[in-house]
Amino acid sequence: ILNVEQSPQSLHVQEGDSTNFTCSFPSSNFYALHWYRWETAKSPEALFVMTLNGDEKKKGRISATLNTKEGYSYLYIKGSQPEDSATYLCAPPQGGSEKLVFGKGTKLTVNP
Amino acid sequence: DARVTQTPRDKVTEMGQEVTMRCQPILGHNTVFWYRQTMMQGLELLAYFRNRAPLDDSGMPKDRFSAEMPDATLATLKIQPSEPRDSAVYFCASGDGLAGGPFQETQYFGPGTRLLVL
Repeated sequence: ILNVEQSPQSLHVQEGDSTNFTCSFPSSNFYALHWYRWETAKSPEALFVMTLNGDEKKKGRISATLNTKEGYSYLYIKGSQPEDSATYLCAPPQGGSEKLVFGKGTKLTVNP
Repeated sequence: DARVTQTPRDKVTEMGQEVTMRCQPILGHNTVFWYRQTMMQGLELLAYFRNRAPLDDSGMPKDRFSAEMPDATLATLKIQPSEPRDSAVYFCASGDGLAGGPFQETQYFGPGTRLLVL
């Protein structure tokens, strides 16, 4: 099974701070990388699907970059707000299938 | 606003009892996934279906778990007999297909069933 690592495990920032965290995955046989956002007591929601090396996706204040050669993706949040508090999960598909292998996530807390 | 629905939302049962969880995927979605959320493993895939056919159930303990899709609007996950270690939140997700390209299917998660086995 794929080894997907996310760091840091948790992060506390102040409202207005910009922040970023990392997802590492095997660089060989890369297919795609999914990012999901999971608020406490809710369900995971899709943020981005990234496929190409050098890809950059943006949704409001959240953006992500992808480096398939070295096997990592960064998620950035500009000017964090309390409503950004959530666990952010990354997930590459398991070798040639549609099964996503989710990392353990980075839990972000934005203090007002 | 199309959503995945799951029932029941909460279930408390005693060890040895049968538990059935139900999921209604978003209309038109032809992929259904069952996940279990645990503290140790995070989100782990139990099984998934495409066009009602099981594609992979390797994440599921076969001796007590079974997953089926009796029709396109209903997926079930059954545990018989249940054990305390099965206590977890079980999520169903439906996929919007491969229109965006291979391996790019977006999954839409239901609210989950919180199971407690005493």
